Amino acid sequence: GAVVSQHPSRVICKSGTSVKIECRSLDFQATTMFWYRQFPKQSLMLMATSNEGSKATYEQGVEKDKFLINHASLTLSTLTVTSAHPEDSSFYICSASLLQGYNQPQHFGDGTRLSIL
Amino acid sequence: DAKTTQPNSMESNEEEPVHLPCNHSTISGTDYIHWYRQLPSQGPEYVIHGLTSNVNNRMASLAIAEDRKSSTLILHRATLRDAAVYYCILRDGYKNGANNLFFGTGTRLTVIP
Repeated sequence: GAVVSQHPSRVICKSGTSVKIECRSLDFQATTMFWYRQFPKQSLMLMATSNEGSKATYEQGVEKDKFLINHASLTLSTLTVTSAHPEDSSFYICSASLLQGYNQPQHFGDGTRLSIL
Repeated sequence: DAKTTQPNSMESNEEEPVHLPCNHSTISGTDYIHWYRQLPSQGPEYVIHGLTSNVNNRMASLAIAEDRKSSTLILHRATLRDAAVYYCILRDGYKNGANNLFFGTGTRLTVIP
């Protein structure tokens, strides 16, 4: 089946550091990928839609200059948390769909746990 | 997207069937019912989806009420690996735009050995 890989799985860094998270579709091409954030004991919240070859679409309340998204190829999207602070500590998860269309299952990565000291 | 309502938590004994309910009284005619689950410290995993008819796959069965205002995810024989948060999500099958998902709070399933 379709596989989405995220790297790294865990990051611990100091406040003020910028952190890049990679999301790869291993065996399929994805023109669109999605980035979610999940705080402890809460549900997933969509942050942005990553579009290959164009600008990402951000959800309301998500700072585009804080969370930089690049989708330079059909198999790779990156999320960079710039100048991270403790309140950015969260579980970041990406997803992609094998095929276009609303009924296609989303395939998720295993997430990246970001801890800012 | 229309809203779904699920119990916060459920328990099941190992090797017994589990019926996870979902209410979606405001479902529209073009909304598909999707189920995902999230194991601890992992990303969500697709389970099953359907429109009107009941659906079966290797993971589970989906029973959809005749009026489509509710559905039930059925795990035929719960194992400890089925302990997860189960999300019932409605997706408009004909809506233009991206294929993102909006997650509710889901049902936390605990499987008792």
